[in-house]
Amino acid sequence: DADVTQTPRNRITKTGKRIMLECSQTKGHDRMYWYRQDPGLGLRLIYYSFDVKDINKGEISDGYSVSRQAQAKFSLSLESAIPNQTALYFCATSDLTQETQYFGPGTRLLVL
Amino acid sequence: DQQVKQNSPSLSVQEGRISILNCDYTNSMFDYFLWYKKYPAEGPTFLISISSIKDKNEDGRFTVFLNKSAKHLSLHIVPSQPGDSAVYFCAASEGSNYQLIWGAGTKLIIKP
Repeated sequence: DADVTQTPRNRITKTGKRIMLECSQTKGHDRMYWYRQDPGLGLRLIYYSFDVKDINKGEISDGYSVSRQAQAKFSLSLESAIPNQTALYFCATSDLTQETQYFGPGTRLLVL
Repeated sequence: DQQVKQNSPSLSVQEGRISILNCDYTNSMFDYFLWYKKYPAEGPTFLISISSIKDKNEDGRFTVFLNKSAKHLSLHIVPSQPGDSAVYFCAASEGSNYQLIWGAGTKLIIKP
């Protein structure tokens, strides 16, 4: 079984809709991250959480919110989706002692 | 302004030859560098890393070289194999920040 899972894997939604992307991990890591990837660009950090009570904005947090429901779960919400949020979204985890991050398979989101 | 740059969007190499992927950075405070590999429809997976106190790190067929004065690192793969065909991302972090700054990626194609 995968250590980091993301649901859904693909999603099509309309402008103005609220959607949630979910991430679960079985690695026991405290740190979790949400990134987006756009064509021709590297991964950009949206939000990160170092433990259940610690949520931090990343480089591009506008238009997004997150919830860390448990050590193993970190969800990303788009309160009112817009077309330029069309992208590939990745969740990642890491432990306290290293920079290496472990990624989920990604969610491909299309906002019409 | 991109702090981590991978100037070659793609690279084609004959099977068995050496593949050299390059990465430049602008932030002199970066002290840890990582290479990730990504296959289609999968998340990035960690490949190899190097601390700024070293100038070389080797793991099997993969070697990363760091030139701090030039703010440049490179990933050497030798010999290149068909399974190495993927997108390779360079990433960097500063101190205990643990936030990774990513390059745009280089697509490596290994020709049989």
